[in-house]
Amino acid sequence: QVQLQQSGTELVKPASSVKISCKASGYTFTSNYMHWIRQQPGNGLEWIGWIYPGNGNTKYNQKFDGKATLTADKSSSTAYMQLSSLTSEDSAVYFCARDVMGIPSHWGQGVMVTVSS
Amino acid sequence: DVVLTQTPVSLSVTLGDQASISCRSSQSLEYSDGYTYLEWYLQKPGQSPQLLIYGVSNRFSGVPDRFIGSGSGTDFTLKISRVEPEDLGVYYCFQATHDPLTFGSGTKLEIK
Repeated sequence: QVQLQQSGTELVKPASSVKISCKASGYTFTSNYMHWIRQQPGNGLEWIGWIYPGNGNTKYNQKFDGKATLTADKSSSTAYMQLSSLTSEDSAVYFCARDVMGIPSHWGQGVMVTVSS
Repeated sequence: DVVLTQTPVSLSVTLGDQASISCRSSQSLEYSDGYTYLEWYLQKPGQSPQLLIYGVSNRFSGVPDRFIGSGSGTDFTLKISRVEPEDLGVYYCFQATHDPLTFGSGTKLEIK
């Protein structure tokens, strides 16, 4: 079955960067887009962008341009998101989600990123 | 950006009763190909969101037929008939018609 295994909790310092991962299994990694979504504490959901692992094409929500960078490693079926110039506003849970029919269908368990000195 | 307004913000329902959630969009969600990318998700406590309904009214794999999506254009509704304990959580509508993709602010379903 489709599984998306995300990396563990991160505690990072302001102004630093963090790279979180999402390892896919149970389907052909290169054939489906991968979405990334943010959920700030007590808040709703925001779409960050997607990557197509087959060719590396990406699309970002303008709000996250320059903040998030999406990449994918076909050899390990793993998608990555790097977040840069971190502030407390970036403290959130970040989800990856496999695309089916143009929408996030299967979601990873989420990664909590806490930005604190 | 497209704004999705969900009402009510919270809902308390007796087991076995029906629940209804509204999602209104600031723009029509009908795409140029005639398809409407309006979906519904449920986020149970401590879990990731799970897809319930896609394309306004299509139930995702494994979703019980108690969940019924309807609507068109800018007005959409999710009805849950015969609410069960495992239905509690926060429901989100979501649109993938316009860029950037956006979510509604959520409706919390509680069991009385």
